[in-house]
Amino acid sequence: SQQGEEDPQALSIQEGENATMNCSYKTSINNLQWYRQNSGRGLVHLILIRSNEREKHSGRLRVTLDTSKKSSSLLITASRAADTASYFCATDDGPGGGADGLTFGKGTHLIIQP
Amino acid sequence: EADIYQTPRYLVIGTGKKITLECSQTMGHDKMYWYQQDPGMELHLIHYSYGVNSTEKGDLSSESTVSRIRTEHFPLTLESARPSHTSQYLCASSPPSAGGEPQPQHFGDGTRLSIL
Repeated sequence: SQQGEEDPQALSIQEGENATMNCSYKTSINNLQWYRQNSGRGLVHLILIRSNEREKHSGRLRVTLDTSKKSSSLLITASRAADTASYFCATDDGPGGGADGLTFGKGTHLIIQP
Repeated sequence: EADIYQTPRYLVIGTGKKITLECSQTMGHDKMYWYQQDPGMELHLIHYSYGVNSTEKGDLSSESTVSRIRTEHFPLTLESARPSHTSQYLCASSPPSAGGEPQPQHFGDGTRLSIL
């Protein structure tokens, strides 16, 4: 069954603007991860936030997690054309600490217009 | 970029053929995974492995099978391909947790499979 739901499904912004994507999930989680997928490629891990964390930063990325609302957001600041990709949230909600795989959402397709 | 390789990148083949999709990683990771992804859609876990001689079925029922005879190798096999198997197949691996710290997954570039 699907765990994560990203919102919006697609987002088009101008280069230099900030991009915000949201993810909602259904069950309790151990951690939540964000991945990027360029067209025709595999996924690249961006950032992981544990269930006891509320905010995490990595370069131009900022992730928040609200376990009471079962939601997370990914903010990309000062967007660049190279940020054009699909972004997926994935939850680790199993007893194996992620060893038994992640549950992915449908993704947000982000287009950065030059 | 992670050292995880999938071959072939693209495969177009007729119905009824036996297919093996290869996945190899050179990082010594114990855990490996296969996901199925239709265009523009989410990934669905179809198989995973905790290590050598360990294979488990994922959330999405699949007619494929996997084996894990060597740490670095996790091939996926379809005994008799059908058009419904047309999809992208992504392989991933992850290292052991370090001090209880969860580890991200490293993905290959996938195999795009088309069954005619």
